[in-house]
Amino acid sequence: IAGITQAPTSQILAAGRRMTLRCTQDMRHNAMYWYRQDLGLGLRLIHYSNTAGTTGKGEVPDGYSVSRANTDDFPLTLASAVPSQTSVYFCASSAQGTGELFFGEGSRLTVL
Amino acid sequence: QKEVEQDPGPLSVPEGAIVSLNCTYSNSAFQYFMWYRQYSRKGPELLMYTYSSGNKEDGRFTAQVDKSSKYISLFIRDSQPSDSATYLCAMKGTGGFKTIFGAGTRLFVKA
Repeated sequence: IAGITQAPTSQILAAGRRMTLRCTQDMRHNAMYWYRQDLGLGLRLIHYSNTAGTTGKGEVPDGYSVSRANTDDFPLTLASAVPSQTSVYFCASSAQGTGELFFGEGSRLTVL
Repeated sequence: QKEVEQDPGPLSVPEGAIVSLNCTYSNSAFQYFMWYRQYSRKGPELLMYTYSSGNKEDGRFTAQVDKSSKYISLFIRDSQPSDSATYLCAMKGTGGFKTIFGAGTRLFVKA
């Protein structure tokens, strides 16, 4: 089934540890995104990529980094996790320029 | 002030009721207006997509955009228990790739 695959589904992490959330899409979409979802705050954009080789900062980029080596993969890295990064993280993709986002099932991260 | 405002609810209605969900926004550059549905512990899925002003109907769902008032609505007719979910409005300008989401409204449809 075509779509977005995220891993891990959930993770408990000690503060200060490094963590990479993986995201792969098979729809050949140019644009990919990472959002975090917190109660009462909705979905907030962390980083995005318009096309392979380029990335940009979203609304809440601090403490996160991304890379886009190819069209299909868009990993999100927390270099040194902090408890405020406890959240549900969603990866999404879209065709060029549209607002129609296709989301993965999310990665639930708890930082203790 | 947030760019997109959405009442978080929860909204509880009996089966068969007409549901009205709304969002207001402040950025007049928004041209694409979307509604996403999110079931518990799942990713959001696109429900309705509208460009600029006007109405769009798809089965029991109708999306309305009033750009003069900076107000969008989603109507659900003959609501079903399976409609119980969080509904997120989302908006985007013609340039760029950033889609801005509302906080989401939790809807419960009681059988």
